[in-house]
Amino acid sequence: DVKVTQSSRYLVKRTGEKVFLECVQDMDHENMFWYRQDPGLGLRLIYFSYDVKMKEKGDIPEGYSVSREKKERFSLILESASTNQTSMYLCASRRLAGGHRKQFFGPGTRLTVL
Amino acid sequence: AQKITQTQPGMFVQEKEAVTLDCTYDTSDQSYGLFWYKQPSSGEMIFLIYQGSYDEQNATEGRYSLNFQKARKSANLVISASQLGDSAMYFCAMREGQGGSEKLVFGKGTKLTVNP
Repeated sequence: DVKVTQSSRYLVKRTGEKVFLECVQDMDHENMFWYRQDPGLGLRLIYFSYDVKMKEKGDIPEGYSVSREKKERFSLILESASTNQTSMYLCASRRLAGGHRKQFFGPGTRLTVL
Repeated sequence: AQKITQTQPGMFVQEKEAVTLDCTYDTSDQSYGLFWYKQPSSGEMIFLIYQGSYDEQNATEGRYSLNFQKARKSANLVISASQLGDSAMYFCAMREGQGGSEKLVFGKGTKLTVNP
């Protein structure tokens, strides 16, 4: 069974802290994605990656960075957390080619920045 | 401009009835794909159904079907015989870009509530 896991379901951090959100997939997928989800706004793409050490900005990259040192792992980094980064963060992965290339999602991390 | 529009923030349906969730999209690409995902209160996004722009038949997956009207740029999700477990957020999404840069653009979602 395909699996995308995220390091925490719930996280509480203080303003100014450096925050790491980890995502791991076991499907050997090339593509990985980070989204944030806010009520009434749907899912918005922060960053994505199509290969190790490769990354592309999504629609709302400001205040975030990412790291992909291994194919199975994609990390989202909040260099200095702010209260407006309180949100639900969803990680996803997909195969680069073949089929309809649907994305598989992790369970999400609900981050609160105080 | 929004590329995916879901005009119904919330919908209510009686158990065992059918319900249609609306989705319109905007693209100038000839080749594209449309997805529907379900998000229960637990938070995980669950893939429901996919429609490719060149698919001649409307997609169906069990109780889910996609009413694809290409000329109108609509891809409505139809859930037949609603169940209490269908209560969730539903998101329509469109694939855009190519190769490794391909990504999904999501609508804002529709919250479906199934009443007993």
